[in-house]
Amino acid sequence: GNSVTQMEGPVTLSEEAFLTINCTYTATGYPSLFWYVQYPGEGLQLLLKATKADDKGSNKGFEATYRKETTSFHLEKGSVQVSDSAVYFCALLVSGGTSYGKLTFGQGTILTVHP
Amino acid sequence: NAGVTQTPKFRILKIGQSMTLQCAQDMNHNYMYWYRQDPGMGLKLIYYSVGAGITDKGEVPNGYNVSRSTTEDFPLRLELAAPSQTSVYFCASTARGQISNQPQHFGDGTRLSIL
Repeated sequence: GNSVTQMEGPVTLSEEAFLTINCTYTATGYPSLFWYVQYPGEGLQLLLKATKADDKGSNKGFEATYRKETTSFHLEKGSVQVSDSAVYFCALLVSGGTSYGKLTFGQGTILTVHP
Repeated sequence: NAGVTQTPKFRILKIGQSMTLQCAQDMNHNYMYWYRQDPGMGLKLIYYSVGAGITDKGEVPNGYNVSRSTTEDFPLRLELAAPSQTSVYFCASTARGQISNQPQHFGDGTRLSIL
């Protein structure tokens, strides 16, 4: 089956620090990979995506590269801000057949950034 | 620009009571989903629907029911509320042709407590 494993949290950083949140996956097919972000009291929003090996997704200073050889999709940001405090979810989608767009999520990583 | 609308935002139920969580989308999306989010556990799929009149079970369907009489609405029913159903519930939707680019749009969630 499909599964996503994220690094254990929570993660606490000072403003302007470098961020890495690890994500690895197992999938039966060729998945598309996503990072979602959930700000306090809100639903999930798509942060970035990559649909094939070696693709790099990027948005709002965040980046993640689809590494097929290591089955990973780690999220990085060079300089975090207090406003980046949120829960981050890694997810995968295997298209086609009876997948019907169903996503498989990791457990989420809570990020807190202090001034 | 309503997107996915969930009501209510908060609710407290007594054990054994029933209620319906409402979800509506105005984007003419074919696919709709219900998830529950428990702390440290990510999102688990409860039920999903690929169109009006068609629903199917997800990963954790026990204790819930759904219906899809229209494209817009996808209510989730709890018949006999149990403490184990205390959670945050999210509804999401996507269009069949957008799965890879924007896999799912999420509502803001319903926080449900069973006491």
